[in-house]
Amino acid sequence: GAGVSQSPRYKVAKRGQDVALRCDPISGHVSLFWYQQALGQGPEFLTYFQNEAQLDKSGLPSDRFFAERPEGSVSTLKIQRTQQEDSAVYLCASSPTRRRDTQYFGPGTRLTVL
Amino acid sequence: AQSVTQLDSQVPVFEEAPVELRCNYSSSVSVYLFWYVQYPNQGLQLLLKYLSGSTLVESINGFEAEFNKSQTSFHLRKPSVHISDTAEYFCAVSASGTYKYIFGTGTRLKVLA
Repeated sequence: GAGVSQSPRYKVAKRGQDVALRCDPISGHVSLFWYQQALGQGPEFLTYFQNEAQLDKSGLPSDRFFAERPEGSVSTLKIQRTQQEDSAVYLCASSPTRRRDTQYFGPGTRLTVL
Repeated sequence: AQSVTQLDSQVPVFEEAPVELRCNYSSSVSVYLFWYVQYPNQGLQLLLKYLSGSTLVESINGFEAEFNKSQTSFHLRKPSVHISDTAEYFCAVSASGTYKYIFGTGTRLKVLA
């Protein structure tokens, strides 16, 4: 079946612009995660949803970062007033259950802030 | 808090030679362990995982990893690599009581002809 999809795949923003990154998880998956992967680094956790509830946002680096999953399916990660240090690949992952489980990753959105 | 260490940032190896990619973790609670592979311009793909049971786990393409609790390690091995194994490999841990993964910094495996 279809995997996790993300759009856009590439985004270039000028410093100060707002951006919105979309994640379509695998159909029926309960859990959804966002990670940030800086160049040459491993992914770092940003936030976690169980259905529409955001249960953990401890990894969001600042209040400029906001994520939502209003209907428990598609999720959007929004970054306001982008800064150069926000440049990274943003990865979305989903897993089928509420329990600790295998996560399936999307291809990522590469954000470049100029 | 949990952490994952992948000491080797790059590993060059000749085709058909064996390879070991090292992963050590730190955790005060029980963990699940994962290896993911990332090919250029692609997302992370699950290679293999340890949840419980047998400490030796295998993938369909010849990789294996062994969970060693006393040494807090989960090293990845393959007896004979192919050019197509060239990719970046990430070790990850998920600790009991949490849902998120903690990743290592990755090891870039380059298979040489």
